[in-house]
Amino acid sequence: KAGVTQTPRYLIKTRGQQVTLSCSPISGHRSVSWYQQTPGQGLQFLFEYFSETQRNKGNFPGRFSGRQFSNSRSEMNVSTLELGDSALYLCASQMAPVAAGTEAFFGQGTRLTVV
Amino acid sequence: EDQVTQSPEALRLQEGESSSLNCSYTVSGLRGLFWYRQDPGKGPEFLFTLYSAGEEKEKERLKATLTKKESFLHITAPKPEDSATYLCAVLGAADKLIFGTGTRLQVFP
Repeated sequence: KAGVTQTPRYLIKTRGQQVTLSCSPISGHRSVSWYQQTPGQGLQFLFEYFSETQRNKGNFPGRFSGRQFSNSRSEMNVSTLELGDSALYLCASQMAPVAAGTEAFFGQGTRLTVV
Repeated sequence: EDQVTQSPEALRLQEGESSSLNCSYTVSGLRGLFWYRQDPGKGPEFLFTLYSAGEEKEKERLKATLTKKESFLHITAPKPEDSATYLCAVLGAADKLIFGTGTRLQVFP
């Protein structure tokens, strides 16, 4: 059974640019959550999508957005990149919404570096 | 506000030297406490879910326990391959997973 696939694995962008990251969940999973991981802050919740609807959102500026498609694949977009956006972005896949309390399966992440 | 604090930040053990990692939490309406293991350059790997105080779960050399205020991850006779960062997360009434910053474990032969 294939795991969670995130593309690309690595990205280098310049301040002010925008970036789109992709996540393909485990087959049959309908919930996708996104997290930002930095050395100082740890994993911080960005947003959750279930059946193409955003169910929950973390405390991040509006520059961070996402969407989910009918096949459960999800994308997140960051506009007007800042140096502080450099981080590992992780996607997690679950069968049910996060609120159901089932385990989340993570992808390997996309390492974004903003220069 | 939901909060998770893990201690120690880093732990160095000799192979075979048992120890415990701590996860203290404050959360409204705990729905679950999760332990993950993360290796460098990889995403977190699920280990355990605990749902209520008094619950315990075991897997190989790892045992997780839960009280109303904290959880412990006990590592018995660790091996070098147990070296990783161990993350604790709670799910509360806000329907978000709140993670601690992790304990970085190094086990030396």
